[in-house]
Amino acid sequence: DTGVSQNPRHKITKRGQNVTFRCDPISEHNRLYWYRQTLGQGPEFLTYFQNEAQLEKSRLLSDRFSAERPKGSFSTLEIQRTEQGDSAMYLCASSRVNTIYFGEGSWLTVV
Amino acid sequence: AQRVTQPEKLLSVFKGAPVELKCNYSYSGSPELFWYVQYSRQRLQLLLRHISRESIKGFTADLNKGETSFHLKKPFAQEEDSAMYYCASTADRGSTLGRLYFGRGTQLTVWP
Repeated sequence: DTGVSQNPRHKITKRGQNVTFRCDPISEHNRLYWYRQTLGQGPEFLTYFQNEAQLEKSRLLSDRFSAERPKGSFSTLEIQRTEQGDSAMYLCASSRVNTIYFGEGSWLTVV
Repeated sequence: AQRVTQPEKLLSVFKGAPVELKCNYSYSGSPELFWYVQYSRQRLQLLLRHISRESIKGFTADLNKGETSFHLKKPFAQEEDSAMYYCASTADRGSTLGRLYFGRGTQLTVWP
């Protein structure tokens, strides 16, 4: 499968711990996106990169969240001092021209 | 901010019946509109986009700027159409493939 790959697929963590998710986009896709999805809602935009530059960040992305794409290829999304409200599916997507392709998502449960 | 509304959380029809999934957007400019579909245990995938004016799996969607709507239609639903459908929009044409705004989704069930 050469689609967008996300790891880990599931993560359970205690409140206050830090977690990091990784996203490997489709090869040669210069844009990479992070979205968050909670039960009963559609995906909500967090941030996106063009190559290594972070071009836009949502207000949903609090100071505890940081995303990087150091070499313009894979990306990481780190959540520091997790809270129960961070429990959600974190979706990564990538695009080159006109179509955005989504990964399967990383489920985060904060207990 | 752009807002995308899908008024029906659940929609059920029988096989062979017509189906329409409603979508309204708030921005009155020139956004780009999409329909995404998520089949059970699969990732979110693009179904169609308004600028393509194409029919995918028998589905079509017409952009009505006057009513700011982008309803998804299929004349004869099939059981394999059962899935979650999300309508999505950019803020404006200039924002193509930047931020997408999604509706909350409509779960379509097609009964045999």
